[in-house]
This record gives sequence, structure tokens and C-alpha cells, in this order.
Amino acid sequence: EAQVTQNPRYLITVTGKKLTVTCSQNMNHEYMSWYRQDPGLGLRQIYYSMNVEVTDKGDVPEGYKVSRKEKRNFPLILESPSPNQTSLYFCASSRRPGQSFAYEQYFGPGTRLTVT
Amino acid sequence: QQPVQSPQAVILREGEDAVINCSSSKALYSVHWYRQKHGEAPVFLMILLKGGEQKGHEKISASFNEKKQQSSLYLTASQLSYSGTYFCGTEGPGNTGKLIFGQGTTLQVKP
Repeated sequence: EAQVTQNPRYLITVTGKKLTVTCSQNMNHEYMSWYRQDPGLGLRQIYYSMNVEVTDKGDVPEGYKVSRKEKRNFPLILESPSPNQTSLYFCASSRRPGQSFAYEQYFGPGTRLTVT
Repeated sequence: QQPVQSPQAVILREGEDAVINCSSSKALYSVHWYRQKHGEAPVFLMILLKGGEQKGHEKISASFNEKKQQSSLYLTASQLSYSGTYFCGTEGPGNTGKLIFGQGTTLQVKP
């Protein structure tokens, strides 16, 4: 089954304790992206990757890191989480944008993170 | 800058029509529409490209006015299953891979 998986699905942590949210897709997609979703603000892009070893900042990259060493995986790293990073996080993947970003994104199930 | 969606919320009866608008202050190359049901991940509906190409859902249509930097999603003869939050995502020129979503429009369809 074609899917994007995220782990963990729920996480409660304390300020400053490093954490990693994993994202993996089995569709051989080149493009992967991380979003956070907060009430009233919609989906905001954190980082995205057009291919292996190619990553770029989205709209809200502060406090986050990513890496893309393999095509299927795109982990999100919070090196020193703070309460304002409490949010619902989605990973997504799609075929690589060619002349246009004409490919649908497949979203993972989401990770609900609480930082106390 | 985030595109602006209107209305923020709408309540319909089954069979009624609705229009959701998405407006950007920047030049657009494409507009993407997604629907998210409560507690679930967003699901793709449609992509509209500069130049008129359109790819997406069978029963939902949309328009893209490049000059006005606006898109509208048309939901006709709404069904209960249409309930959810609709997001537009905009891509600027340059095929950057950067997608900016609006704040969402919540649609509730009642029997």
C-alpha cells in the first residue's frame, strides 16, 4: 500500500530535550516536505526537499532541522524544543515538481507534539 | 505571505452549492486545493496551473484567474461527505517547491 508513515504519532516532551520525528514514504517520491498545523493558521511549511541531499527552508524553519540522506526518509529534528513548537506536524511527499508543481502531495497521518 | 481564504466558515444543507475563494498578493504559478476531515490528514483535491491545465477531482471544480491572483473552488450539490476544512496552497513562479497554504475554510454540510 502506498503510504507516508510518521513516528511517533503522539509525543509529550520537556523543553530542551532533543527529539526526532521520522517520516518515510514507499512511493519512490523525490519531493518531501514538513508542515506544522496550528488552529487558525492553516498548514505552514517548515522545510522541504526536492531530492536526496537537497533541502530548503519553508516559511517557518526556525528551531527545526532536517536531513535527506535517503530518498524514502525525511526526519524532522528539534534540537532544543520549546513550548511554541507544540503543534500537529505533517510530513508529505510527491513526485518531483517538473515544469510545474503538478503533482499531488500525499500526507502522513500526523504527529501531535506537546512541549512542556 | 499566506493566501487569504474566504469565507472562513460555511454551513450548508445537502444539495446546496458553495464557493470557496483563495486570494494571493503575489503572482502565482499554480494553486492546489486540499480537504481535511477532522482528525485526519489533508487529502488532495485539485491542482490548477498557470495556462489553464487542471488536474483533480471528478465532482468538484475550480477556477484560476492568474491576473487577479485568485482561485475559487466550486462545490455543487453538496453531500455530507464534503464536510471538512478546505485549504488552498499557492506556488509562486520559479518551480521552487515552496507551497504556502491559506488558513482554511471550514465547511459543514447538514442533512
